[in-house]
Amino acid sequence: LAKTTQPISMDSYEGQEVNITCSHNNIATNDYITWYQQFPSQGPRFIIQGYKTKVTNEVASLFIPADRKSSTLSLPRVSLSDTAVYYCLVGDGYKLSFGAGTTVTVRA
Amino acid sequence: EAQVTQNPRYLITVTGKKLTVTCSQNMNHEYMSWYRQDPGLGLRQIYYSMNVEVTDKGDVPEGYKVSRKEKRNFPLILESPSPNQTSLYFCASSWGDSMNNEQFFGPGTRLTVL
Repeated sequence: LAKTTQPISMDSYEGQEVNITCSHNNIATNDYITWYQQFPSQGPRFIIQGYKTKVTNEVASLFIPADRKSSTLSLPRVSLSDTAVYYCLVGDGYKLSFGAGTTVTVRA
Repeated sequence: EAQVTQNPRYLITVTGKKLTVTCSQNMNHEYMSWYRQDPGLGLRQIYYSMNVEVTDKGDVPEGYKVSRKEKRNFPLILESPSPNQTSLYFCASSWGDSMNNEQFFGPGTRLTVL
């Protein structure tokens, strides 16, 4: 499994855009990049997944440069309800490693 | 409603008393997995199952057993629980392999071993 590195925490204010960058220098050719969101005492929830370039859905955007050694999750115009832990996962197959994630705190 | 259910949601037990945490999904998913979550450590995978009768170890399998006799159920068994297994446990399921498919998580089981 590719090791991922992401910031431990980030603070933001309502209405701002939040960008969380995940480093995965040893990503393999077949690996996908997946992000999950977790609220306290709840199970993680899938946000977005990508392989290269840019992926966008109704919740977020995922930017992946050509070398795929990093990726950036972008949350547009965050609200208080976006306060959560965000996990970057990289891999292919069945074994998953979530790591400690990035705690995003959105303030009014 | 498509969902993953876990029972019990909360459990306090004593060291050495065998227990089972059940997990069931109604989405006909092939893949199921168990995780434990401890403060500052994120989620760590305990065991996973690619299909009926096919299971494999995750990162922290010691002290746990699993079985997959039916596609919808994937119970987690603690034969002789110890205090270091006090944790928040999550079950998850997905179509096919877990990295390329969205995983659906259950509500969690908070276990305390005294």
